[in-house]
Amino acid sequence: NAGVMQNPRHLVRRRGQEARLRCSPMKGHSHVYWYRQLPEEGLKFMVYLQKENIIDESGMPKERFSAEFPKEGPSILRIQQVVRGDSAAYFCASSPPGQGRTDTQYFGPGTRLTVL
Amino acid sequence: ILNVEQSPQSLHVQEGDSTNFTCSFPSSNFYALHWYRWETAKSPEALFVMTLNGDEKKKGRISATLNTKEGYSYLYIKGSQPEDSATYLCAFGAGSYQLTFGKGTKLSVIP
Repeated sequence: NAGVMQNPRHLVRRRGQEARLRCSPMKGHSHVYWYRQLPEEGLKFMVYLQKENIIDESGMPKERFSAEFPKEGPSILRIQQVVRGDSAAYFCASSPPGQGRTDTQYFGPGTRLTVL
Repeated sequence: ILNVEQSPQSLHVQEGDSTNFTCSFPSSNFYALHWYRWETAKSPEALFVMTLNGDEKKKGRISATLNTKEGYSYLYIKGSQPEDSATYLCAFGAGSYQLTFGKGTKLSVIP
């Protein structure tokens, strides 16, 4: 069973460009979470999605950031008009359906975004 | 704002030594405490999920204990090996699905 896949692993963007980060959850998992790690910080929750639904986006910046998890295909974290402060490692995690709030979240290897 | 603290920040031990480190978390509204092992350039690997006060979990030479009343968990590694070198993360679940992570304890095992 392949783990959580993220691509690209490294992404370089210039200020003002858009960044699209993809996450394919583990097979059979329908819950996806995005976390961000800024330099010298711990992982910070951004958003929790189920198929076609955003469940909790309390950790998402109010502007420029959006996330989706369509019925088919990977989850996408989209950052519009990137700024240098968006440079960070972005991690995706997934968990199986129908389980509770104590379940293990399985993490991908992350996408390292660098904004020039 | 939930605060999860891990100590020490980093640790160097000799191969064969046993070691332990601490995760402190809020004692209210507790749902679960997660431990992860994270090697550089790899995915964080789930070690344990602990939900009950007094829980003890074990996986090989690694074990963990949980005290929800006072808000701490210990991770123990018995007979450290170089392959145990990694950053160990704890994460607190407080009733929503989001996890609040500590900054981790970076363990280096010297051969």
